[in-house]
Amino acid sequence: ETGVTQTPRHLVMGMTNKKSLKCEQHLGHNAMYWYKQSAKKPLELMFVYSLEERVENNSVPSRFSPECPNSSHLFLHLHTLQPEDSALYLCASSQDPLEVGYGYTFGSGTRLTVV
Amino acid sequence: GENVEQHPSTLSVQEGDSAVIKCTYSDSASNYFPWYKQELGKGPQLIIDIRSNVGEKKDQRIAVTLNKTAKHFSLHITETQPEDSAVYFCAATLTDKLIFGTGTRLQVFP
Repeated sequence: ETGVTQTPRHLVMGMTNKKSLKCEQHLGHNAMYWYKQSAKKPLELMFVYSLEERVENNSVPSRFSPECPNSSHLFLHLHTLQPEDSALYLCASSQDPLEVGYGYTFGSGTRLTVV
Repeated sequence: GENVEQHPSTLSVQEGDSAVIKCTYSDSASNYFPWYKQELGKGPQLIIDIRSNVGEKKDQRIAVTLNKTAKHFSLHITETQPEDSAVYFCAATLTDKLIFGTGTRLQVFP
């Protein structure tokens, strides 16, 4: 375990379903991130939260809705997804500003399949 | 905005040989360059990083070099072992946001 826990590890959902991904960090970090990892593509930054405030939204479709109730928890609410949204969704945390030797700490990800 | 290019996309080496992965970045203001290793079924894990005021950093079998003038940095793995097999990502940061390269799949054959 890296100190960042993501649940569930795998998720299969239909295009009309609503589901949520959960991320929890036990590192005392004050910034959290959602990344999308698709095959043969760079890691895509989706959302950034610093001190529970959303500081970045990288033109992500509204069918993805983040929530950060406190500095330890981050959610990604999903609804009416498309098959092309199938990917590995990674949560990360860090100190803001970044500390040398620590960078981002990633969770193991949620493998999402949209059918 | 920052753009990070990474090469090669795949790399196969014999156990004991060295492996080198190279990245270039576009924004001269970038000041922090971490490298991540992602094993199957896991998230990326930080293995080494370097700040722009340092030209080289070494940690046992891995080292990173940075050429600020040319805006490129490299990961060097010596005496490779099968457990080094993974996908490696470089990244560059500007104002604390990390931009990742496309990854290099390293395979070390025994």
